[in-house]
Amino acid sequence: DAGVIQSPRHEVTEMGQEVTLRCKPISGHDYLFWYRQTMMRGLELLIYFNNNVPIDDSGMPEDRFSAKMPNASFSTLKIQPSEPRDSAVYFCASSLVGPAGELFFGEGSRLTVL
Amino acid sequence: AQSVTQLDSQVPVFEEAPVELRCNYSSSVSVYLFWYVQYPNQGLQLLLKYLSGSTLVKGINGFEAEFNKSQTSFHLRKPSVHISDTAEYFCAVRAGNNRKLIWGLGTSLAVNP
Repeated sequence: DAGVIQSPRHEVTEMGQEVTLRCKPISGHDYLFWYRQTMMRGLELLIYFNNNVPIDDSGMPEDRFSAKMPNASFSTLKIQPSEPRDSAVYFCASSLVGPAGELFFGEGSRLTVL
Repeated sequence: AQSVTQLDSQVPVFEEAPVELRCNYSSSVSVYLFWYVQYPNQGLQLLLKYLSGSTLVKGINGFEAEFNKSQTSFHLRKPSVHISDTAEYFCAVRAGNNRKLIWGLGTSLAVNP
């Protein structure tokens, strides 16, 4: 079975542009998480979904960030407008329900905003 | 509120030497504990987890960790490391039924020949 698939792997854009990151979770997983990783702040949970419904978006830094999960096999994280401080690696992860709840991570999308 | 502290940001070690990566947590409720590994330019993957039962947990790649409730620790160990173990290691805790993981800041393990 394919793992979590993210695209693009690398994105370089200019300040003010819209950025859309995409994620395909593992089939059958109930939960989907979006994380941001930077050297300064480590791993930050931005938002997570359960059965396509956003459960907790308290980690979304500003209104410039939005996330959707229109169906069980696809999610997007959008930044509009982008700023240099948004430069980071963004990870998507999925998991099954239950206390074990192992997270399966994608390979990440490295975003550079100039 | 829960928190996780990884006591060492960087650990250099020679190949075939033993290593211990330290993790302490705080929580007022029962917890589930995890160690994840991140190889360069990759996502994180699970090394091992403690849910209940035996306090000594064995994971992949020869790693093990011991849950110590009295010291609120979950240190990761390997008796003999390889160059290929060079990576970033993250300790994480989940409290009760909360789906959110609380992450440590990571420990960078550098295995030198």
